[in-house]
Amino acid sequence: SSELTQDPAVSVALGQTVRITCQGDSLRSYYASWYQQKPGQAPVLVIYGKNNRPSGIPDRFSGSSSGNTASLTITGAQAEDEADYYCNSRDSSGNHLRVFGGGTKLTVL
Amino acid sequence: EVQLVESGGGLVKPGGSLRLSCAASGFTFSSYSMNWVRQAPGKGLEWVSSISSSSSYIYYADSVKGRFTISRDNAKNSLYLQMNSLRAEDTAVYYCARDRVFGVVIKAYYFDYWGQGTLVTVSS
Repeated sequence: SSELTQDPAVSVALGQTVRITCQGDSLRSYYASWYQQKPGQAPVLVIYGKNNRPSGIPDRFSGSSSGNTASLTITGAQAEDEADYYCNSRDSSGNHLRVFGGGTKLTVL
Repeated sequence: EVQLVESGGGLVKPGGSLRLSCAASGFTFSSYSMNWVRQAPGKGLEWVSSISSSSSYIYYADSVKGRFTISRDNAKNSLYLQMNSLRAEDTAVYYCARDRVFGVVIKAYYFDYWGQGTLVTVSS
């Protein structure tokens, strides 16, 4: 399958914990990567692999995976975390394609 | 510092052609696979195409296959996307992104650096 499914919108109170999920058959074969995108800006990688953060990404961002579901968790959400979040994976059909989830708009209340 | 700078976007009529470029600096360009990813106005991200470091392996999304051609010039540290037979639905910001692979048993494919994008508008 070449689809990754995300909830369109999620909200979290300032300082609370939020989980953003991504579902798809390809996640049984490959880890997801997660990207944060703020309005008018290019996407930024926040999580890759099982739970790896690039340099400069705060440790309140973490990743996990189980079965066909990958999750991005923000522990202690900050106002600056309000953004769109996209998951991505390689397609598991053997075609070497990449697929993005539809994106989740995170609102920090 | 890794930098990716796209150029070549603009307004083009349906059926027309456009060539995008991505100038890379701050890393050994010839050692990395590269990608094009696009984002239509108000929409999500869509992977378009990838090319391996030596151009041996090239892949396209079904939506652009047969119309777009990805290429690179390692001597010039540049990535290209030749877009032909453009349609209104190709209107988007086009990003170039560096490709990485991580892991042994279960792999993670990801894009660690992105350019700022170039806007392509297909309209009559």
